[in-house]
Amino acid sequence: EAQVTQNPRYLITVTGKKLTVTCSQNMNHEYMSWYRQDPGLGLRQIYYSMNVEVTDKGDVPEGYKVSRKEKRNFPLILESPSPNQTSLYFCASSPNRDGLSYEQYFGPGTRLTVT
Amino acid sequence: GNSVTQMEGPVTLSEEAFLTINCTYTATGYPSLFWYVQYPGEGLQLLLKATKADDKGSNKGFEATYRKETTSFHLEKGSVQVSDSAVYFCALRTGRRALTFGSGTRLQVQP
Repeated sequence: EAQVTQNPRYLITVTGKKLTVTCSQNMNHEYMSWYRQDPGLGLRQIYYSMNVEVTDKGDVPEGYKVSRKEKRNFPLILESPSPNQTSLYFCASSPNRDGLSYEQYFGPGTRLTVT
Repeated sequence: GNSVTQMEGPVTLSEEAFLTINCTYTATGYPSLFWYVQYPGEGLQLLLKATKADDKGSNKGFEATYRKETTSFHLEKGSVQVSDSAVYFCALRTGRRALTFGSGTRLQVQP
């Protein structure tokens, strides 16, 4: 089954404790992206990747890191989480890095709480 | 820059009522337009899309027409069902940039 998977689905952590949220897709997509969803703000892009070893900042990259060492994986790293990073996070992938019309496939989401 | 404005929710309708969710946008260049739906506890799924002016996207009884002159992409359905209860997001994409989402509109359909 074609899908985007994220782990963990739920995470409660404390300020300053490094964490990684994994994302994997099995569709051989070039484009991958991370979004955060906050009430009243819709989804905002954190980072994206056009291909292996190619990453770039989205609209709200502060406090986050990413890496793209393999085509299928795109982990999101919070080196020192803070309470304002409490949010619902979605990973997404797309089959064509330049295709305006291609839809993005979303993972199920990771709900992160930082206390 | 790009932006998407959606009507605020929640929108509460009775089953079989007509649905309209308004969406307007501003964009540089010529965007592709999308409607995504998010069911409770799930990720977003593409509902429909339109890639150029006057295109009509349709799926599962939902429709939206790309109106360049009014910069709008309103979502409509003639007869909603309880199973349509979800959050609906209007979005656009230009060039290599990410999808730009509206804030979402929650639809509640009552039996």
